[in-house]
Amino acid sequence: EAGVAQSPRYKIIEKRQSVAFWCNPISGHATLYWYQQILGQGPKLLIQFQNNGVVDDSQLPKDRFSAERLKGVDSTLKIQPAKLEDSAVYLCASSLEGLAGGTDTQYFGPGTRLTVL
Amino acid sequence: RKEVEQDPGPFNVPEGATVAFNCTYSNSASQSFFWYRQDCRKEPKLLMSVYSSGNEDGRFTAQLNRASQYISLLIRDSKLSDSATYLCVVNSALSGNTPLVFGKGTRLSVIA
Repeated sequence: EAGVAQSPRYKIIEKRQSVAFWCNPISGHATLYWYQQILGQGPKLLIQFQNNGVVDDSQLPKDRFSAERLKGVDSTLKIQPAKLEDSAVYLCASSLEGLAGGTDTQYFGPGTRLTVL
Repeated sequence: RKEVEQDPGPFNVPEGATVAFNCTYSNSASQSFFWYRQDCRKEPKLLMSVYSSGNEDGRFTAQLNRASQYISLLIRDSKLSDSATYLCVVNSALSGNTPLVFGKGTRLSVIA
């Protein structure tokens, strides 16, 4: 079974530039998550989609970050404009149903490593 | 107080040793608990869920103490391949969709 796919794997940009990341979840998974993992920290949820609707975006810095999952499958995460502190690994994960209490296993993609100079 | 706290390590242990990781969580309403493993420059992968009665999977044993809001992971007979960062993960809700909260992780290095 194919896992969660992400691209690009690496991205280097200068501050104030824009960047977009793409995620293709495991086929049939209704729930998609974007996490930010800063070096030395655990992943932090940015946004959670259930099909094409947003379930939780409370920790998404909405002045510069946006995400969409228009057809309920692939998703893109955009940063515009980027700041130095956005340097991190951006992980996409998916789960079958996104069951309450987090009892539904989340499968992570390999991540996109972003460096903002 | 951070929602999920772990000793960052690193824990450097010889092969064959037994090592234990601890984790505390601040939200007493937390309902689901997990240990994830993350290899260097790789994505996190679920190692095991943690149940109230404690659970074991081969060399790995996870325990939960709700009264103390404490979770542990014990690894027996450590292998070189166990070297990784172990993330303690907590979810707070019985209903609705609340996010998983990850600790910073505890780094383990098993040495030959």
